[in-house]
Amino acid sequence: SYELTQPPSVSVSPGQTARISCSGDALSEKYTYWYQQKPGQAPVLVIYKDNVRPSGIPERFSGSSSGTIGTLTISGVQAVDEADYYCQTRDSSGAYVFGTGTKVTVL
Amino acid sequence: QVQLEESGGGVVLPGRSLRLSCAASGFTFMTYAMHWVRQAPGEGLEWVAIISKDATNKDYADSVKGRFTISRDNSRETLYLQMSSLGPEDTAVYYCAREEAEAGTFGYGLDVWGQGTTVTVSS
Repeated sequence: SYELTQPPSVSVSPGQTARISCSGDALSEKYTYWYQQKPGQAPVLVIYKDNVRPSGIPERFSGSSSGTIGTLTISGVQAVDEADYYCQTRDSSGAYVFGTGTKVTVL
Repeated sequence: QVQLEESGGGVVLPGRSLRLSCAASGFTFMTYAMHWVRQAPGEGLEWVAIISKDATNKDYADSVKGRFTISRDNSRETLYLQMSSLGPEDTAVYYCAREEAEAGTFGYGLDVWGQGTTVTVSS
């Protein structure tokens, strides 16, 4: 089955840049989506189709994809960005797949 | 406002069945594909199932295929998940979510989620 692998955790100081990777076979040939989830809350879509921000998502969130790696970048990290982040795509059969998740800690 | 509200969760014995509902409001339900996604305690997100906007196409995660059935009633603007042969591994918060997508294509992401309903499978 198709798998998306993310680092378990990323730590970043306020104002710095956080980069979260998402690794999957031929990922750049698919679209990658990113979700933010805070404790006790439902996920929120922050990036769709690799690099598009939905309405209402701050400009500091951006996405990219190359080869087997998708990347979510948070520029100028703020305390409110502390959360779990999940990537997502669809495999060759059309099934949806979520990544393993990354906990972002703002120091 | 745009809203999804799940219901139907609870504690259920192993091997039994349960039906979840997801009521939509504030948007044109019949124009969106709908998903169920679950999250076991302390774990990550797991996609469960998708149904196309006209219910002609459905797909399931391997972990629930043959046990769970997704359906929708566009006249009632409600999504359902019929779960049978439940086991402890099905214990999770179950979320419904919408996606603007055509069957078989990459859509615009799961952009609206409900707050979830908790299913606990335990004897």
